[in-house]
Amino acid sequence: GAVVSQHPSWVICKSGTSVKIECRSLDFQATTMFWYRQFPKQSLMLMATSNEGSKATYEQGVEKDKFLINHASLTLSTLTVTSAHPEDSSFYICSALDQNTGELFFGEGSRLTVL
Amino acid sequence: GENVEQHPSTLSVQEGDSAVIKCTYSDSASNYFPWYKQELGKGPQLIIDIRSNVGEKKDQRIAVTLNKTAKHFSLHITETQPEDSAVYFCAASTSGTYKYIFGTGTRLKVLA
Repeated sequence: GAVVSQHPSWVICKSGTSVKIECRSLDFQATTMFWYRQFPKQSLMLMATSNEGSKATYEQGVEKDKFLINHASLTLSTLTVTSAHPEDSSFYICSALDQNTGELFFGEGSRLTVL
Repeated sequence: GENVEQHPSTLSVQEGDSAVIKCTYSDSASNYFPWYKQELGKGPQLIIDIRSNVGEKKDQRIAVTLNKTAKHFSLHITETQPEDSAVYFCAASTSGTYKYIFGTGTRLKVLA
């Protein structure tokens, strides 16, 4: 089946640095991708909708200057956590919409730990 | 906006028994209801889904039922096995938006 790849799968960084997470659709084109955040033992919270070639749409309460999203191609969306702080430590998951089939596929997630 | 509630938060069953997880949603416009299984440290995997034009769907040991009037849907797993142990999430969305609102999750433990 279709695969969505996230990289890195885990990252540890110092407070104040920026971290970029990539989400790739490997065998289909995705004009729309979604970014979620998941705290331990909690549900997935939608952060933003990433639209290829246009600005991302952020959910209420999500700082767009803090979480920069770029969707420059039909197979790649990136999430950059800027000036990361320990409270940004979380599991970040993306999903990609296969526009041909209408199916939504999830990545394996990226665990961010900010020291 | 949509709100999805899920119960129970934890569920332990003996191997071979059935497990039932229930979700309710608030937005009557929601018409697509997927269920996901998430193992530790991994992304969610779709296990079954149902659209609002049907009341029940079954795939081997897994079934989902939907009651549109009451705005609730349930996941049924029969003949549970230890490998069914995971966290299960329900979700609701409106066709065309693909903005999934997830339930709070159920941690299922199947005891051997």
